[in-house]
Amino acid sequence: AQKVTQAQTEISVVEKEDVTLDCVYETRDTTYYLFWYKQPPSGELVFLIRRNSFDEQNEISGRYSWNFQKSTSSFNFTITASQVVDSAVYFCALSEDYRGSTLGRLYFGRGTQLTVWP
Amino acid sequence: GAVVSQHPSWVICKSGTSVKIECRSLDFQATTMFWYRQFPKQSLMLMATSNEGSKATYEQGVEKDKFLINHASLTLSTLTVTSAHPEDSSFYICSAKNDRGNTEAFFGQGTRLTVV
Repeated sequence: AQKVTQAQTEISVVEKEDVTLDCVYETRDTTYYLFWYKQPPSGELVFLIRRNSFDEQNEISGRYSWNFQKSTSSFNFTITASQVVDSAVYFCALSEDYRGSTLGRLYFGRGTQLTVWP
Repeated sequence: GAVVSQHPSWVICKSGTSVKIECRSLDFQATTMFWYRQFPKQSLMLMATSNEGSKATYEQGVEKDKFLINHASLTLSTLTVTSAHPEDSSFYICSAKNDRGNTEAFFGQGTRLTVV
């Protein structure tokens, strides 16, 4: 069973539009971490955010914001006023308890290719 | 801090040869490292968990004899793709977990392997 589902394979928007990337996860652990990574064409993974299962507060960082809702097992990512430089593949990931410690191996979603047109 | 260096960034090799990829934690010790593989336009899938001083733990479907992992020190894990074939062409990326404290695993830059 897929632990992390990103239903949106590709999204295209025009610059300055807001865009939300969806992420739904599945786990039986009560303690876990959720992540978002950005992967530009060069391939490296750029860490965006980490959220633990006990902290449901939404977070905002500049144009980025995240909405974590345990009730729906979702951790959605919104980019406000998108820019061309936001074009990349975005991955949502889950880390469960690993040898008594979370933050070990990651289960990745399939990724969402975001294209922002000028 | 928390820098993971992966080398090489890209490599092209002939079919049948072996390729070694290094993953180093530069400013922390990592008993545990993870190796992922990503095919074009696909997600990252864990191949194996590398443990310093012991054998690696491979995920189901990953050939141990083909993907040799050595974690000989607390700062270095290597992945050797033996007798590489074109279907092994992929993006390989490692992550290292800091031994000190409950922190996330940090990723290397990745290695793009092309087997011709």
